[in-house]
Amino acid sequence: KQEVTQIPAALSVPEGENLVLNCSFTDSAIYNLQWFRQDPGKGLTSLLLIQSSQREQTSGRLNASLDKSSGRSTLYIAASQPGDSATYLCAVRFLTNAGKSTFGDGTTLTVKP
Amino acid sequence: DGGITQSPKYLFRKEGQNVTLSCEQNLNHDAMYWYRQDPGQGLRLIYYSQIVNDFQKGDIAEGYSVSREKKESFPLTVTSAQKNPTAFYLCATPGPGGTGELFFGEGSRLTVL
Repeated sequence: KQEVTQIPAALSVPEGENLVLNCSFTDSAIYNLQWFRQDPGKGLTSLLLIQSSQREQTSGRLNASLDKSSGRSTLYIAASQPGDSATYLCAVRFLTNAGKSTFGDGTTLTVKP
Repeated sequence: DGGITQSPKYLFRKEGQNVTLSCEQNLNHDAMYWYRQDPGQGLRLIYYSQIVNDFQKGDIAEGYSVSREKKESFPLTVTSAQKNPTAFYLCATPGPGGTGELFFGEGSRLTVL
């Protein structure tokens, strides 16, 4: 069964700290991996999309890496701010799943002032 | 403004009633998806449509129905057969160009009284 796991479920850090969120998946045959941010009661906002042929993507203070062989992706957030507090979800589109993405349960990040 | 519009944002339903959630997009995308999200969990696929007049069951289709009569619209009906309908419902569409990047609406929260 193709699964996506995000550990930890919750993370609390002081403002200014650099942090890493983890996403692991069970099948290395993927089409892409996408990181999202979700604020309470809101939809998902796309942060970064990594295609299968890519190793990383960067946007501002965010950097996402992809290691298909180990089934892992990390989302690195530099110099965290209270406004970064949200739930971060990882979604993997497996090659054998007819274009449908499988989501992790998310990591809820709290950045304390 | 281009985007995905979901309505209503909040909906209350009595047990035994059918309700329909609206999803409209003006992005001219072919495919549209419906997901369900429960507290602390990732997204699960209910139904998806790759093209007008065609749709497929996702992982948790029981108790739901959809139609795709127009490219821009993909309504979801939560029927009385759905045993636990209280959840957050999200509509999404993958962007063109083959990247597979998913874009989401703001969601509809359904509560069964």
